[in-house]
Amino acid sequence: EDKVVQSPLSLVVHEGDTVTLNCSYEVTNFRSLLWYKQEKKAPTFLFMLTSSGIEKKSGRLSSILDKKELFSILNITATQTGDSAIYLCAVIIQGAQKLVFGQGTRLTINP
Amino acid sequence: EPEVTQTPSHQVTQMGQEVILRCVPISNHLYFYWYRQILGQKVEFLVSFYNNEISEKSEIFDDQFSVERPDGSNFTLKIRSTKLEDSAMYFCASSPPRLAGTPPEQYFGPGTRLTVT
Repeated sequence: EDKVVQSPLSLVVHEGDTVTLNCSYEVTNFRSLLWYKQEKKAPTFLFMLTSSGIEKKSGRLSSILDKKELFSILNITATQTGDSAIYLCAVIIQGAQKLVFGQGTRLTINP
Repeated sequence: EPEVTQTPSHQVTQMGQEVILRCVPISNHLYFYWYRQILGQKVEFLVSFYNNEISEKSEIFDDQFSVERPDGSNFTLKIRSTKLEDSAMYFCASSPPRLAGTPPEQYFGPGTRLTVT
């Protein structure tokens, strides 16, 4: 069975800290991995990673994929209270269109 | 910036009733999806739709579910006879046309919270 596991499930830090969120996967025929930020409602697309070792960056957020060790990390530097959200990792399998989601990491940034 | 929209934001229905959840995908997108998230659980895939037909569906998407694109803009999910366990947040998503060899990213709507009583 295809599986995506995120850790930690919950994380509380102070504003200004740097955080690293983890996503590991066990799937048949991996194609791509996606990160989403879910605040009140809609998951908002952050990154899609297909190749190992290539960092994707957007402002204070960055992500990288390791296809050998089957994981990805999402880094957020200089965190702000607006970064508080659930961060979802999802995988697309070759030949399929569905996203297989992890359970999410609830990130809370305290002022 | 274009967004996926969904209506209603919250729907309450009685067990056994039919509900239709509506979505307007981003206008130039070609692939459409429904997912659901039961409270406290993972987001789960229900169905994908391309070129006016279902392209993939999960085991959750049984005969009580159907999807339709009745016109050029709307994409609907119908649940024929709702059960208590259908209570969940239902997300619609859409994807742009694919570049060769690249899976398209999926953009999600705000969701419809369905409560079956």
